[in-house]
Amino acid sequence: ILNVEQSPQSLHVQEGDSTNFTCSFPSSNFYALHWYRWETAKSPEALFVMTLNGDEKKKGRISATLNTKEGYSYLYIKGSQPEDSATYLCAFNSGNTPLVFGKGTRLSVIA
Amino acid sequence: EAGVAQSPRYKIIEKRQSVAFWCNPISGHATLYWYQQILGQGPKLLIQFQNNGVVDDSQLPKDRFSAERLKGVDSTLKIQPAKLEDSAVYLCASSSQVANEQFFGPGTRLTVL
Repeated sequence: ILNVEQSPQSLHVQEGDSTNFTCSFPSSNFYALHWYRWETAKSPEALFVMTLNGDEKKKGRISATLNTKEGYSYLYIKGSQPEDSATYLCAFNSGNTPLVFGKGTRLSVIA
Repeated sequence: EAGVAQSPRYKIIEKRQSVAFWCNPISGHATLYWYQQILGQGPKLLIQFQNNGVVDDSQLPKDRFSAERLKGVDSTLKIQPAKLEDSAVYLCASSSQVANEQFFGPGTRLTVL
């Protein structure tokens, strides 16, 4: 059974703080690691799809890194804003297997 | 490009009642997924379609859940009869190919009383 772990489970930060979350996944048979942002009452939105070990991706103030050999990915948010408040999900798949999601990290940014 | 559409957005029913959810994927996307997201958990795949054929339904409770995608486009997910533990958000997603990026709908929040 594939297991994807995310930490922390929830996080409260002040506006302007930078923060990061962790996603751990099986290091064998790796195909892709996905990060999603899910705001309340909206559709989960894809942030990054990462496939290569050592890959780093950036979208505005959000960036992510990937280590497939040790099975982890970090998501960083620089200068958090209230609109960043959401649940951040990571999901792993190997080849043609379905995505396996972690439980998510719930971020609250306090103005 | 229109996104994945789902309806209804919210549904409240009593246990033992039936309920159906509808999903219209992004035009041209061959692969369609139904997920169940229980509060505090990550989304769990219930069923995956490739066109109108089932690819994976290993986690679908087939005694009460059913899904179809008859024309290979939109899909319905049905629960009959519902149990209290079925309270969850039901997400539909689509992708152009298996293992590609998935695009999600807004979900249907089901409450079973």
